[in-house]
Amino acid sequence: QKEVEQDPGPLSVPEGAIVSLNCTYSNSAFQYFMWYRQYSRKGPELLMYTYSSGNKEDGRFTAQVDKSSKYISLFIRDSQPSDSATYLCAMSAYYAGGTSYGKLTFGQGTILTVHP
Amino acid sequence: EAEVAQSPRYKITEKSQAVAFWCDPISGHATLYWYRQILGQGPELLVQFQDESVVDDSQLPKDRFSAERLKGVDSTLKIQPAELGDSAMYLCASSPGVSGSSDTQYFGPGTRLTVL
Repeated sequence: QKEVEQDPGPLSVPEGAIVSLNCTYSNSAFQYFMWYRQYSRKGPELLMYTYSSGNKEDGRFTAQVDKSSKYISLFIRDSQPSDSATYLCAMSAYYAGGTSYGKLTFGQGTILTVHP
Repeated sequence: EAEVAQSPRYKITEKSQAVAFWCDPISGHATLYWYRQILGQGPELLVQFQDESVVDDSQLPKDRFSAERLKGVDSTLKIQPAELGDSAMYLCASSPGVSGSSDTQYFGPGTRLTVL
């Protein structure tokens, strides 16, 4: 079983739709949660970063973390064709004693297509 | 805006040949990561450097892969000999702080390797 499972999709939605992307994880040591966006043939770019349970909003994007359920989500409101990309959830751990190498563990990615 | 540089962007080689990838992190970033991303999957860490020292190479296939960051700045990842299963995107990332921090990782554009 992988440490991070991501709904693989693919997702195809009309412009203006609300998109929900989800990941679950099994490692309780994960404390930092990120969403990256990756356009075709490009490297991932950071969209959202959070380290606490609850919601974090940035423009049309909202990241949600539920540590008790080991579940994170990314919501995209008023989706645009330019949002078409692969979305990757990523997590890193904080171990007792304050030692963490900062290694990111990624989900397998969800391909999103927003059509006009 | 400072970016992580990688070269080459694309590499096609035959199996059993040697290949090398180069990464120049954002200036001043102490931590450098090499990830491998197989098509349709999320990136997986191969090796992590703190300055010139390796802090995590547990997932690096050491019989054929090697990595170095001699002066704690740029880095080279080498594969010798390449195998068909090495076909993937090789991503370099850097972060400003020491290993164990929760710093954001910034990714380069990647090198896409095809082994024939």
